[in-house]
Amino acid sequence: GENVEQHPSTLSVQEGDSAVIKCTYSDSASNYFPWYKQELGKRPQLIIDIRSNVGEKKDQRIAVTLNKTAKHFSLHITETQPEDSAVYFCAASGGGTSYGKLTFGQGTILTVHP
Amino acid sequence: DVKVTQSSRYLVKRTGEKVFLECVQDMDHENMFWYRQDPGLGLRLIYFSYDVKMKEKGDIPEGYSVSREKKERFSLILESASTNQTSMYLCASSEQVPSGANVLTFGAGSRLTVL
Repeated sequence: GENVEQHPSTLSVQEGDSAVIKCTYSDSASNYFPWYKQELGKRPQLIIDIRSNVGEKKDQRIAVTLNKTAKHFSLHITETQPEDSAVYFCAASGGGTSYGKLTFGQGTILTVHP
Repeated sequence: DVKVTQSSRYLVKRTGEKVFLECVQDMDHENMFWYRQDPGLGLRLIYFSYDVKMKEKGDIPEGYSVSREKKERFSLILESASTNQTSMYLCASSEQVPSGANVLTFGAGSRLTVL
């Protein structure tokens, strides 16, 4: 089955700096790569996703890049703000009969210091 | 506005007890999932269901079973709870999209402690 590795496990930045979280996946058939954000005490929520036919996607201060050849994808947050502090999870899923089953990475605790 | 509801936020059970965790969604989603969340291990899939009475094992099904008798309800069952099942349990649901690009809507979680 799919295996997703996520790094780093913790990331501490100053407000205004950029943050990058990286993930690798093992199944070359995976074709959908979402990122979820979980604030303290709350449920995970989708913040951005990318499909395998796209190399990069942006939404305001966040962007995701995908390298299918190397089987890795990254989340980039620019101009970080204290409200970006949360746990971030990457995930991967294949098409076909996977029914949208997501395999998640281990999570990254991002702390943005004012 | 709550779309995925988990019946219990906090439970404390004793080793060997049978535990039921209930999840209800009101979005008419075909897919429902049970994940377990542990620090440093991320979200690990226990079981999922893509239709009523249908279920598939996830990555860590041992010690768990599930039931989906109605489309909106997906139950996780611990037949005989053990201390290593102390964890946060997250239910999620999604539409069935042919491409597999399904967006999960999560419940608030059920924190289970087994003594």
